Amino acid sequence: DSGVTQTPKHLITATGQRVTLRCSPRSGDLSVYWYQQSLDQGLQFLIHYYNGEERAKGNILERFSAQQFPDLHSELNLSSLELGDSALYFCASSVATNPLETQYFGPGTRLLVL
Amino acid sequence: DQQVKQNSPSLSVQEGRISILNCDYTNSMFDYFLWYKKYPAEGPTFLISISSIKDKNEDGRFTVFLNKSAKHLSLHIVPSQPGDSAVYFCAASAWGNQFYFGTGTSLTVIP
Repeated sequence: DSGVTQTPKHLITATGQRVTLRCSPRSGDLSVYWYQQSLDQGLQFLIHYYNGEERAKGNILERFSAQQFPDLHSELNLSSLELGDSALYFCASSVATNPLETQYFGPGTRLLVL
Repeated sequence: DQQVKQNSPSLSVQEGRISILNCDYTNSMFDYFLWYKKYPAEGPTFLISISSIKDKNEDGRFTVFLNKSAKHLSLHIVPSQPGDSAVYFCAASAWGNQFYFGTGTSLTVIP
């Protein structure tokens, strides 16, 4: 158990809908990273938050947004969903802001868009 | 464009033998590399890292080798154990920026 929790574990929705994925980092960790793993793809970095502030953006679509709240949990919002958004979404947390610090991954949320 | 590639989707090895997982990258600016291990229904867990100033890093049964001129790194597991059966991802970063991940190699260690 990494100490990172993600909810829900599974999510099935329809095209055009909007969903919110939630991540609670390990106790004491200030950084949260979001990744997307599509079928036959490696993990794609989406976005990094540190202590409530956005620090870096990767291949995140404009239809996607994220935020980190004062209690350090983070939410990833996916809107106008398309079939291609079906993927496994991971969040990871680390103590500091440096991406080279060991990142601890949650178990992921599996999203299926029908 | 996939900057980090793991060209072998799967690998099977007998228990006790060596497992060698390979990873190639295209960006010569990458200077830090990681291997992660992932079991089904769990997130990846950090296994071992190497920076570009070294060509080898060892941690118990796991050794990572880096060949910068070939833009290639490999993970050796000796001896392989059934509990090592998992998907292994390599990842690379340049100057402490975001990590780029390979697509993973599924290792099966046969008892």
